[in-house]
Amino acid sequence: DTEVTQTPKHLVMGMTNKKSLKCEQHMGHRAMYWYKQKAKKPPELMFVYSYEKLSINESVPSRFSPECPNSSLLNLHLHALQPEDSALYLCASSQLALAGAYEQYFGPGTRLTVT
Amino acid sequence: EDQVTQSPEALRLQEGESSSLNCSYTVSGLRGLFWYRQDPGKGPEFLFTLYSAGEEKEKERLKATLTKKESFLHITAPKPEDSATYLCAVQAEETSGSRLTFGEGTQLTVNP
Repeated sequence: DTEVTQTPKHLVMGMTNKKSLKCEQHMGHRAMYWYKQKAKKPPELMFVYSYEKLSINESVPSRFSPECPNSSLLNLHLHALQPEDSALYLCASSQLALAGAYEQYFGPGTRLTVT
Repeated sequence: EDQVTQSPEALRLQEGESSSLNCSYTVSGLRGLFWYRQDPGKGPEFLFTLYSAGEEKEKERLKATLTKKESFLHITAPKPEDSATYLCAVQAEETSGSRLTFGEGTQLTVNP
């Protein structure tokens, strides 16, 4: 099974709201990722968790707050977002290795609209 | 800096008309090259991983090949359901945290 699940599928929020995106995988992967994707552009890396610890933050604004409660779950907490944050938010997971490369498996995404 | 360039940006084929998509890359040392397929509004679907020059992988009508400078995704006798955006991504040896560098993608349309 190579499935990554994400909830919700769609989210509309105002600029003063607080919401969370959720991601889950049961492949035993120890690396999990958040990406942001705008229309007709490739995914843009936001955060990487390795062994449940934040290993990469691509200078993402603090209104995005990631959390990794355990090896299967990944959350993205949203607060005081701007309309330009509207996008498809993708979660992915992969195996981890000191050397070598492993493919990332993506979830279906959450379509976020900020009004 | 790692760079990935995909061409063409868009490609229209008739059903059954074979063609190839190109992914040119510049990295300090290649750890892996990945092909993904993405349908509108959905997450990318993993297709292939290639590790070294000369390697080839096949899946149904798709075949991916790798040289030291580029990768090709060959599509044989495509069907309308092959219509999607195809993304190429590389992971470099000096990359930390499994970071991928993506190309801009090729949008493929197969007409019946």
